[in-house]
Amino acid sequence: LAKTTQPISMDSYEGQEVNITCSHNNIATNDYITWYQQFPSQGPRFIIQGYKTKVTNEVASLFIPADRKSSTLSLPRVSLSDTAVYYCLVGPRNAGNNRKLIWGLGTSLAVNP
Amino acid sequence: DTEVTQTPKHLVMGMTNKKSLKCEQHMGHRAMYWYKQKAKKPPELMFVYSYEKLSINESVPSRFSPECPNSSLLNLHLHALQPEDSALYLCASSPRGRQPFQETQYFGPGTRLLVL
Repeated sequence: LAKTTQPISMDSYEGQEVNITCSHNNIATNDYITWYQQFPSQGPRFIIQGYKTKVTNEVASLFIPADRKSSTLSLPRVSLSDTAVYYCLVGPRNAGNNRKLIWGLGTSLAVNP
Repeated sequence: DTEVTQTPKHLVMGMTNKKSLKCEQHMGHRAMYWYKQKAKKPPELMFVYSYEKLSINESVPSRFSPECPNSSLLNLHLHALQPEDSALYLCASSPRGRQPFQETQYFGPGTRLLVL
């Protein structure tokens, strides 16, 4: 199973760029990397997903190096409303071979004024 | 409608009670999920329904019984729960169902369950 490791917590200030790195040394060839955001007392919300190189959407960017053993979620110019827990997930496209979707333990991001 | 709704928002039950959690989505999604989340932990997958059939049961105790009456509805029946089952129960759905894992999952707000 591709275990993921991410920092437990991070602090930032409004307007700064935040980069959260997730390590997944045992990532398999077919695994994708996905990030979710969760506010207190709410369900997680999809942010971004990628397989290799760089993916960008209106919310974030995801950087994946060539060896795919880590990935970095980049949040440009954070605001107070970005204070949340960010989860890194690694898992297969297919549900076969008893492979599972692995959630990281989450990074609690606090954005300060 | 791009929401997953869950009822009730909060539930307190005794260990001998029987209760049910309800989840509904009207996005036409064909996969639906139940997760359990303890405080400061990631969600743990419990069940996956794909095209209204149970496709994954993550070795969940039989005191939790899922049901998918139709493609929009997912229930979780609870019976003889233990205090350690107290948690946030999240429902999610995803579009295609056949390959659910890497599809974007849309989560509901959850039901906060307390077992006394």
